[in-house]
Amino acid sequence: GAGVSQSPRYKVAKRGQDVALRCDPISGHVSLFWYQQALGQGPEFLTYFQNEAQLDKSGLPSDRFFAERPEGSVSTLKIQRTQQEDSAVYLCASSLAGQGLGTEAFFGQGTRLTVV
Amino acid sequence: AQSVTQLDSQVPVFEEAPVELRCNYSSSVSVYLFWYVQYPNQGLQLLLKYLSGSTLVKGINGFEAEFNKSQTSFHLRKPSVHISDTAEYFCAVIPISNFGNEKLTFGTGTRLTIIP
Repeated sequence: GAGVSQSPRYKVAKRGQDVALRCDPISGHVSLFWYQQALGQGPEFLTYFQNEAQLDKSGLPSDRFFAERPEGSVSTLKIQRTQQEDSAVYLCASSLAGQGLGTEAFFGQGTRLTVV
Repeated sequence: AQSVTQLDSQVPVFEEAPVELRCNYSSSVSVYLFWYVQYPNQGLQLLLKYLSGSTLVKGINGFEAEFNKSQTSFHLRKPSVHISDTAEYFCAVIPISNFGNEKLTFGTGTRLTIIP
């Protein structure tokens, strides 16, 4: 597609429910990132993929968070047993390649997760 | 580790007036610097970036920024703002040493409001 696509745009989950957030990166983009943006804050890094390999998951806040990108294209961020503090906008970004060149990252519109 | 400080959380400016949004960073290694803009209910869009060379960089929509290494700053400026510039602006950095993993560290954002 022309840009990074995320679905759903909005998700309301009951506390304790599992959720799955999807990201379709720009075709051909090697690098894929997930960020979490709490209300009134800047985005914070969660995890990074280069093709299907998850090279950095240092930002995942707990073992309830899991991300995958099995075929090096679409990625899914899964949150198990959601809690209220998980409420945030989850942003996905992709770039051509992480080659230390300051490659531009293109962001999706995000998924706003509200846990009630 | 890196950190980015945007001291001004909100900046109101009259239409056609100049504006400066401040950004300071802290890092033990050299960094690339970015400004992103986020319009309501939209994803982040790159305004401009500094990788190397001239310290004055020009971006889209008439914005420019100047990298000052001694002051570890990367302030964003526009000589005359328009109503359409109303948005949230984020300063971000990537450590140059993170070859292959260009995760961004963001500031908390500055909300620019243009007053007609």
